[in-house]
Amino acid sequence: EIVLTQSPGTLSLSPGERATLSCRASQSVSSSYLVWYQQKPGQAPRLLIYGASSRATGIPDRFSGSGSETDFTLTISRLEPEDFAVYYCQYYDSSPLFGPGTKVDIK
Amino acid sequence: QLQLQESGPGLVKPSETLSLTCTVSGGSMSRSSYHWGWIRQPPGKGLEWFGSIFQSGSTYYNPSLTSRVTISVDTPKNQFSLKLNSVTAADTAVYYCARHSLGGSRDFDIWGQGTLVTVSS
Repeated sequence: EIVLTQSPGTLSLSPGERATLSCRASQSVSSSYLVWYQQKPGQAPRLLIYGASSRATGIPDRFSGSGSETDFTLTISRLEPEDFAVYYCQYYDSSPLFGPGTKVDIK
Repeated sequence: QLQLQESGPGLVKPSETLSLTCTVSGGSMSRSSYHWGWIRQPPGKGLEWFGSIFQSGSTYYNPSLTSRVTISVDTPKNQFSLKLNSVTAADTAVYYCARHSLGGSRDFDIWGQGTLVTVSS
């Protein structure tokens, strides 16, 4: 069974800084099925990145995804105030599996 | 623009059955190649997928929950539903319905706003 681990648990940064979030799988996975979501307090998750590196409709280009095999990264090039949120990765093995999330909060 | 909306009781007693409905608007489920799923999030915790259903009624469930979960679809009403039986306090969560793509990256691309269900006597 694949396990997703996200690090760090919390990332404290200032607006304008670069955020680098990690999602690690316990075994090699297909990047085609690696997805990232953003969740703000009181809101449903929003699809950000699919296929490890493709931005979903309407997602600003400051968000980018990369990685392969066991290591995947979500990068926010310059944090805007609205980017402070929790980010989840998700992989589809035989069923959808979510990582525990990384909270990006204001330093 | 496709929208999903959860509805159902906000309070359920322990050992009873939690029943929720998701209404899809702005598009027809029966003319869609997508699946439709349920995900929950306990307060302050992460996301857990329950299961998904296709318009034909074919379902697949989270193996850890399958014994208690039933998902059904009513395409004429453009709705799908979740039933979770024998609930306990551990089932207290925000429940989301979402459109589930099984092509491409198999993601959940459109979500309902979520509904909080509390299990308490």
